[in-house]
Amino acid sequence: GAVVSQHPSWVICKSGTSVKIECRSLDFQATTMFWYRQFPKQSLMLMATSNEGSKATYEQGVEKDKFLINHASLTLSTLTVTSAHPEDSSFYICSAQGALNTEAFFGQGTRLTVV
Amino acid sequence: EDKVVQSPLSLVVHEGDTVTLNCSYEVTNFRSLLWYKQEKKAPTFLFMLTSSGIEKKSGRLSSILDKKELFSILNITATQTGDSAVYLCAATTGTASKLTFGTGTRLQVTL
Repeated sequence: GAVVSQHPSWVICKSGTSVKIECRSLDFQATTMFWYRQFPKQSLMLMATSNEGSKATYEQGVEKDKFLINHASLTLSTLTVTSAHPEDSSFYICSAQGALNTEAFFGQGTRLTVV
Repeated sequence: EDKVVQSPLSLVVHEGDTVTLNCSYEVTNFRSLLWYKQEKKAPTFLFMLTSSGIEKKSGRLSSILDKKELFSILNITATQTGDSAVYLCAATTGTASKLTFGTGTRLQVTL
């Protein structure tokens, strides 16, 4: 399958700081990238959908000013958690899709801990 | 609101047993049903199903979709301890192929 690289795999930051997570499709061009959040023992919850060169579409209840998504190229999307709080601590996963109606491939995920 | 429901939530079986995992969905503008296996980190892709009644197989795993009854099953035969994981199903919907995930089934295979 296609390779999606997510970085960093884990990060610890202080409350009030911002953290950037990168998601790269290594061997295909990702027209669409998705960002998910997963709490312990729960399923993945979609946060936002981003298409290259356009603004991300956020799911209901997700603050777009807090979770900044940039999809500047066909191989890179970034999620920035701004002014992080301990309740933002979670597992964040990106997935990338090439052509429409093909499977999405996941990055390795990023475990964020805010202290 | 799009909804994907999996059952059972968790399952413990002995090595060698056969298991069937269930996934039902109620979504708008359904496109396909996907199965993933999640161990410690991100999910890994297993199957993508778009047509009813056509079984997809990969080794000891197989899956089938029923678009009339809005459900899918994932079968694992001759289970091994390495099959222990959370199995997620997801429905893709809309033009952006957005994935709506179910709650997952936590499978534990014991010796």
